[in-house]
Amino acid sequence: QQQVKQSPQSLIVQKGGISIINCAYENTAFDYFPWYQQFPGKGPALLIAIRPDVSEKKEGRFTISFNKSAKQFSLHIMDSQPGDSATYFCAASMDTGRRALTFGSGTRLQVQP
Amino acid sequence: DTAVSQTPKYLVTQMGNDKSIKCEQNLGHDTMYWYKQDSKKFLKIMFSYNNKELIINETVPNRFSPKSPDKAHLNLHINSLELGDSAVYFCASTKGGQLNLQETQYFGPGTRLLVL
Repeated sequence: QQQVKQSPQSLIVQKGGISIINCAYENTAFDYFPWYQQFPGKGPALLIAIRPDVSEKKEGRFTISFNKSAKQFSLHIMDSQPGDSATYFCAASMDTGRRALTFGSGTRLQVQP
Repeated sequence: DTAVSQTPKYLVTQMGNDKSIKCEQNLGHDTMYWYKQDSKKFLKIMFSYNNKELIINETVPNRFSPKSPDKAHLNLHINSLELGDSAVYFCASTKGGQLNLQETQYFGPGTRLLVL
């Protein structure tokens, strides 16, 4: 059972464009929703995160939109740059799960110059 | 300074062998995790230790045994390696003790295991 579903699997965006990645979750006990960025050969690194009491969080060019009733959240990358090309993972965790991350399947983003 | 380090970075071995992967964090964190990333890049939790105590043990074959000599180290020992064990194994850590786990997890660079 995949508790966090992520789409699209891959995404090609032109430089300066907006990249949008979507995730949906099933378990309403999740209370923390991070996005991780992974470059080839590296470990995942936290990009931005949100808790369900907030509908939007923005950090620089990165924004998380959160819809609690729909159990969906998304990552928007504004003014996408070639350096943003990486694999992006949404995830979710809950305290009763001892904060182990349940990951989405990942989105490979390619930003073309 | 490397916050979460893993050794070795690459591990190529024959089926049936026993191998260990080591993880160390210098962040002063109390909780450490092992995740497995398969060939399709899917990441899945395997184990978690809090202050040397096992707190998460997902459905993982008992050929996998984590060991935590102290709260800065979490090693993963794998017995009788199988072809399906080929993957990238990531160690991660987070601040906080048993009752106050923090959310942000810091990941190591990964150990790429190839079983032939």
